Amino acid sequence: DAGVIQSPRHEVTEMGQEVTLRCKPISGHNSLFWYRQTMMRGLELLIYFNNNVPIDDSGMPEDRFSAKMPNASFSTLKIQPSEPRDSAVYFCASSLQGNYEQYFGPGTRLTVT
Amino acid sequence: GQQLNQSPQSMFIQEGEDVSMNCTSSSIFNTWLWYKQDPGEGPVLLIALYKAGELTSNGRLTAQFGITRKDSFLNISASIPSDVGIYFCAGQAGANNLFFGTGTRLTVIP
Repeated sequence: DAGVIQSPRHEVTEMGQEVTLRCKPISGHNSLFWYRQTMMRGLELLIYFNNNVPIDDSGMPEDRFSAKMPNASFSTLKIQPSEPRDSAVYFCASSLQGNYEQYFGPGTRLTVT
Repeated sequence: GQQLNQSPQSMFIQEGEDVSMNCTSSSIFNTWLWYKQDPGEGPVLLIALYKAGELTSNGRLTAQFGITRKDSFLNISASIPSDVGIYFCAGQAGANNLFFGTGTRLTVIP
């Protein structure tokens, strides 16, 4: 069975450019989570969706970050404009709503120069 | 947000030794989860615990949900080289989201 799929796996971009990260959750899962992982701050929840609706975006660092989930099988996390401090690994995870067992994708390693 | 403290931060052990790590919180959790992360990969769920006092095994791994609901531990018996990685605890308190610990980095020396 396919797990959570993320693309791209690696992204290198220059400061000021727009970055879009993509996620396909596990089929049938109706909760989707975006995390950021850095050495300094560990794993941080950015935003999560239930049934395609954003529930908690309090972890989104600033207005430069936005996330969408247009349907049950696709979500995007966009950073515009990107800054060097956004460099991190971004993970997407999914679960069945009400079930706390989250399954993670392989992550996107973002480097902003 | 919630703070989960994991200890130890890192461990160096000989192959074949048993490993024990724990996670504590200042708040009560309803669910505890343990994940393992290999380099360049996402965290992989190892064990989920749903009741205070629950003891659950998954192969050589055993985890317990503390009676106070503020802690959990993970044991690995007879460690092997592929156990190398970072182990994270995660707790759930109310809403659908999880709070993650700071991780324990395990190195197994063959």
